[in-house]
Amino acid sequence: KAGVTQTPRYLIKTRGQQVTLSCSPISGHRSVSWYQQTPGQGLQFLFEYFSETQRNKGNFPGRFSGRQFSNSRSEMNVSTLELGDSALYLCASSARTSGGGLNEQFFGPGTRLTVL
Amino acid sequence: GNSVTQMEGPVTLSEEAFLTINCTYTATGYPSLFWYVQYPGEGLQLLLKATKADDKGSNKGFEATYRKETTSFHLEKGSVQVSDSAVYFCALSGISGYSTLTFGKGTMLLVSP
Repeated sequence: KAGVTQTPRYLIKTRGQQVTLSCSPISGHRSVSWYQQTPGQGLQFLFEYFSETQRNKGNFPGRFSGRQFSNSRSEMNVSTLELGDSALYLCASSARTSGGGLNEQFFGPGTRLTVL
Repeated sequence: GNSVTQMEGPVTLSEEAFLTINCTYTATGYPSLFWYVQYPGEGLQLLLKATKADDKGSNKGFEATYRKETTSFHLEKGSVQVSDSAVYFCALSGISGYSTLTFGKGTMLLVSP
C-alpha cells in the first residue's frame, strides 16, 4: 500500500506570496491532518479534514487554510507569506473509528517551505 | 490544555548503551500516548503506543509504560544501535480516541560506534 505523499517536497517563496501544498493520503483513509514543524515551536497542529469537512483547527491565523477533495486528497494554502512561516509542513492520514476518533496517524515526508 | 514535556537533547550514547528519554504530560482524563521517531529527511513514524494506564507499548526493542500516577511515558531501550540515531517525539491524543496529537519538542539521539 502506498504511503502518504506530499508535493512539492521543497519550496522557496518570498514574503507576501501565497503557497499551496498538496497531500495524498493512504488509500482508504478519509482523515487528513496537517502539522507545522519548526525548530522553535516544534510540531503544532494546523487542522484536520474528514470527508471534505474541517473537523478540528489549531491556533493559527486565518492566512492558513485548507480543503479536502472527494478523493480525500487535501491541500493547504498559506497567503501573504511571512518569514516565520518557514517550516516543514507535515501531513498525516488516518482512518476514523466508528466512535468518531482517529486510528493511528501515518505521516508523509513533509514539504520544506522556505520564505525569503 | 494538553501539553507534553520531554527531556532536552541531544542525547549522545555509545552503541549498546542503555537509553532512557523522559516524557511527562498534562491532560484531562485518560489520553492515549505515543512515541514517534523521525529520521533525517523523513516524516514521523509511529514507534509505539499505549492507550490506557499501565499499558506497555513496545516495538523494535523500545518500550514505554503508561504511568498515570506520575503522568509519564518514558522511552527505554536496553541496547541502542547506530541506526537508532534520530529524533524522538512523545505525543498524546485527546480523550475522544485518537484525535489531534499534541507533541513534545523532540529529543535528538546520537549513537556512535
